[in-house]
Amino acid sequence: AQSVSQHNHHVILSEAASLELGCNYSYGGTVNLFWYVQYPGQHLQLLLKYFSGDPLVKGIKGFEAEFIKSKFSFNLRKPSVQWSDTAEYFCAVNEDSGYALNFGKGTSLLVTP
Amino acid sequence: EAGVAQSPRYKIIEKRQSVAFWCNPISGHATLYWYQQILGQGPKLLIQFQNNGVVDDSQLPKDRFSAERLKGVDSTLKIQPAKLEDSAVYLCASSKQSNYGYTFGSGTRLTVV
Repeated sequence: AQSVSQHNHHVILSEAASLELGCNYSYGGTVNLFWYVQYPGQHLQLLLKYFSGDPLVKGIKGFEAEFIKSKFSFNLRKPSVQWSDTAEYFCAVNEDSGYALNFGKGTSLLVTP
Repeated sequence: EAGVAQSPRYKIIEKRQSVAFWCNPISGHATLYWYQQILGQGPKLLIQFQNNGVVDDSQLPKDRFSAERLKGVDSTLKIQPAKLEDSAVYLCASSKQSNYGYTFGSGTRLTVV
């Protein structure tokens, strides 16, 4: 069955630490990949997306993600986190044929001052 | 542009009662989605509309859930009768095309007691 796996459910970092959140998917064909963020009390917002081309994509607020096709991975990174990055992060995937997004279970990030 | 509008923001009902949620997508967005997000989990697709037609409702519990998008614009999701396990945030999202990133509404938080 098609699935999206996020390895870390809860991550706690100090400000200025580097962040990497793992995401793996199990789809056989062409995929579109997304990272969404949900700040406390707010709705889901798109951080970045990958459709094709350069596998290193840059998003908002200094986030980036790398698509590694051979590993079926799309990990999210940020060199230096801030307290304001405290949020829930969701990886999502859909097939290029227009199916709906399939979300991972999410990673809760807490950044301490 | 205006975002995806959802109402109500919160709803508390007793089990076996009925409830309805409303969503107005971004103007011009042909594709509309309803997701269910249970606490601690990622959003799960309930139903996908393309204009006023259903594309995917395979995960919609059709014995109690129904949804419609009569004029290809706004949509309603109904639960009748509600169960305790229906307590969740119900998210509406829309997109221009089904393989693009979505814009999410703020969601309706349903508590069934």
